[in-house]
Amino acid sequence: HVQLVQSGAEVKKPGASVKVSCKASGYTFTTYAIHWVRQAPGQRLEWMGWINPVNGNTRYSQKFQGRVTITRDTSASTAYMELSSLRSEDTAVYYCVRELVAGVFAFDPWGQGTLVTVSS
Amino acid sequence: DIVMTQSPDSLAVSLGERATINCKSSQSVLYSSNNKNYLTWYQQKPGQPPKLLIYWASTRESGVPDRFSGSGSGTDFTLTISSLQAEDVAVYYCQQYYETPLTFGGGTKVEIK
Repeated sequence: HVQLVQSGAEVKKPGASVKVSCKASGYTFTTYAIHWVRQAPGQRLEWMGWINPVNGNTRYSQKFQGRVTITRDTSASTAYMELSSLRSEDTAVYYCVRELVAGVFAFDPWGQGTLVTVSS
Repeated sequence: DIVMTQSPDSLAVSLGERATINCKSSQSVLYSSNNKNYLTWYQQKPGQPPKLLIYWASTRESGVPDRFSGSGSGTDFTLTISSLQAEDVAVYYCQQYYETPLTFGGGTKVEIK
């Protein structure tokens, strides 16, 4: 059973950083790319970037360039997303997602989501 | 960036009736070399992550009921629920994966009339 399990909810102050983990199971971690998508209240889903688990190569949305870092630990079958310089607009549910098949950026499965709240 | 525009924002349909959701991309998502449309549809129920329904614009994901179908090509796409069931109440999103940044539509909320 393919599954992505994310770390728990976080509350952060403006200017801080947050790091969310995503543990994969049920498949060979290095076979499929992992992406991160967020959903802010009342906003559409927003793609943040992705990582190739084989070599660690990443690509980020221009919107988050310089603030987001996606990494992975292949020994733990886990991907991470770190977002820095947090502001209130970053309050959202953050999802890790797996590509459906290699090279096809349709997403299945999705992690359960991690709520990040940015508040002073 | 490719802008995805969905319509309507919401619709109310009687049980057993057809629901139709539209998605328009600001540029074509049809890749000429393989004649595939890089367009997918998701269903999101309250408190849950989105669930993949359709990819390549018209290929149903395994386990998705056949009352869900996708159609269209180029810039105009449609998700049809042929006979609405109570469990289909959700928000539906389209997404293009033709190029990065990957982009989503604003969502269409489907309710029971």
